[in-house]
Amino acid sequence: KQEVTQIPAALSVPEGENLVLNCSFTDSAIYNLQWFRQDPGKGLTSLLLIQSSQREQTSGRLNASLDKSSGRSTLYIAASQPGDSATYLCAVGGYQKVTFGIGTKLQVIP
Amino acid sequence: EAGVVQSPRYKIIEKKQPVAFWCNPISGHNTLYWYLQNLGQGPELLIRYENEEAVDDSQLPKDRFSAERLKGVDSTLKIQPAELGDSAVYLCASSFGGGNTGELFFGEGSRLTVL
Repeated sequence: KQEVTQIPAALSVPEGENLVLNCSFTDSAIYNLQWFRQDPGKGLTSLLLIQSSQREQTSGRLNASLDKSSGRSTLYIAASQPGDSATYLCAVGGYQKVTFGIGTKLQVIP
Repeated sequence: EAGVVQSPRYKIIEKKQPVAFWCNPISGHNTLYWYLQNLGQGPELLIRYENEEAVDDSQLPKDRFSAERLKGVDSTLKIQPAELGDSAVYLCASSFGGGNTGELFFGEGSRLTVL
């Protein structure tokens, strides 16, 4: 059974700081890994999708990496802004199902 | 292009009453998912459809939950009768392609409160 862990559970940083969110998973037999952000009371917004054959994906100030062999992914956010405050979830697309972590709640302080 | 559309956004009902949620996926997406999300938790799969077929309903509590996707497009999730523990957010997502290979796109969710 796939287990997905996100550390830390919460993070508070000053505006402008670069930061890294972590996602680890136990079963490396995956199709892909996807990062989402979720604002309070809203659905999940897709940020980046990394296929199992890829090492990283970039979109604007976001960069996600995938190391399948070690069961780890990181989401790097450059020059953080108050608008980045949200909960960030990773989801691992496995052969049986997509498994979500519980997320990292990020607060960027102006 | 329209995203995944869900309704209603909010629903408050008394326990033992029925409730239904509707989802219209992104045009062309053949795979549709219903997830349940409790506060502070990640989404958990209830059912996955590929076209009209429910290919994974192993986590759907079939004594009170039912779902349908009759024409392979929009879908309805029903709870009858609702229990206090069903209070949660019900999320619909869609993707292109079979299995769990495609990028997931979510709707805004339907927040259910059972009193």
